[in-house]
Amino acid sequence: EAQVTQNPRYLITVTGKKLTVTCSQNMNHEYMSWYRQDPGLGLRQIYYSMNVEVTDKGDVPEGYKVSRKEKRNFPLILESPSPNQTSLYFCASRLGGEQYFGPGTRLTVT
Amino acid sequence: LAKTTQPISMDSYEGQEVNITCSHNNIATNDYITWYQQFPSQGPRFIIQGYKTKVTNEVASLFIPADRKSSTLSLPRVSLSDTAVYYCLVGGQGYIPTFGRGTSLIVHP
Repeated sequence: EAQVTQNPRYLITVTGKKLTVTCSQNMNHEYMSWYRQDPGLGLRQIYYSMNVEVTDKGDVPEGYKVSRKEKRNFPLILESPSPNQTSLYFCASRLGGEQYFGPGTRLTVT
Repeated sequence: LAKTTQPISMDSYEGQEVNITCSHNNIATNDYITWYQQFPSQGPRFIIQGYKTKVTNEVASLFIPADRKSSTLSLPRVSLSDTAVYYCLVGGQGYIPTFGRGTSLIVHP
């Protein structure tokens, strides 16, 4: 089944403790991206990648890192999480104009 | 990247047809119009995409006038399960998607 998977689905952590949210797609898509969604603010893009080893900042990249060492994986890294990064995170991959989204990761930073 | 404007919210009743209009006055020649649907706590789901005139699939229809400065997503005979946020996106083949806040559709019994 064609899909985008994210792990973990839920995470509660403390300020400053490094964490990684994994994202994997099995559709051989070149384009992948990360979004965060907060009430009243819609979906905001954090980082995107047009292909392996190519990443670019989206609208809200501060406090995040990404890597794209292989086509299927696009992990999101929070080196030192802060409470304002508490949010619902979505990973997506795209073929042409159609994006496929993962199930989301709900992160709480205390 | 073409800026889009759509209503923040809409209300409807079961069985009615719902039309959500999106304005994109500065759409470029090679831009496509794409609509997504999002349920609470789920990722957006692709609904339909078009370039001009009318596109129809099993879920919705997309109407695009000749000047392409707007588009209308039409949902026939909505049910309670169509309550969701609907996003209009405009861009070319390699565009970077910007979702905005979308239109929150509430379907009442």
